[in-house]
Amino acid sequence: DSGVTQTPKHLITATGQRVTLRCSPRSGDLSVYWYQQSLDQGLQFLIQYYNGEERAKGNILERFSAQQFPDLHSELNLSSLELGDSALYFCASSVEGTQETQYFGPGTRLLVL
Amino acid sequence: KNQVEQSPQSLIILEGKNCTLQCNYTVSPFSNLRWYKQDTGRGPVSLTIMTFSENTKSNGRYTATLDADTKQSSLHITASQLSDSASYICVVSYNFNKFYFGSGTKLNVKP
Repeated sequence: DSGVTQTPKHLITATGQRVTLRCSPRSGDLSVYWYQQSLDQGLQFLIQYYNGEERAKGNILERFSAQQFPDLHSELNLSSLELGDSALYFCASSVEGTQETQYFGPGTRLLVL
Repeated sequence: KNQVEQSPQSLIILEGKNCTLQCNYTVSPFSNLRWYKQDTGRGPVSLTIMTFSENTKSNGRYTATLDADTKQSSLHITASQLSDSASYICVVSYNFNKFYFGSGTKLNVKP
């Protein structure tokens, strides 16, 4: 158990809909990262937040957005969902963020029908 | 173009044997290189993190090497166990906070 929690574990929705994925980092960690893992693209870095502020952006689509709240939990919002958005979405956390170990959560499996 | 390539794509070895996985990258500027172990359907688990100045790093039976001049890294697994069956992913960090992932090597350890 990494100490990072993600909810929900599974999500099934329809194209065009909007969903919110939630992540609680390990106690004391200030950085949160979001990753997408699909069968054809592998793991991709989406976005990083540090202490409430966006720190780095990867291959995040404009339809996707994230935020980190004052209690340090984070949410990833996915809107206008397409079939290709079906994937495992992982959240990871680290104390600060540059050269440290990232601890991954168990992931949210999203299926868009 | 920043890329991370891993080889082989898949590997089958017998329990107790050693194996070496390769990672070549073109990411620049390079911040650090990470190796992760990922069991099917679960989150990756960090094995090692190496910076530019580190040549080798060990974590139990896992030893990673890095040659920053040739932009190559390897992960050596000693005395493999059935529980080592997983995907091993190489990740190269760019500018400290952007990450490029290899497609992974799927290792199957057979009894």
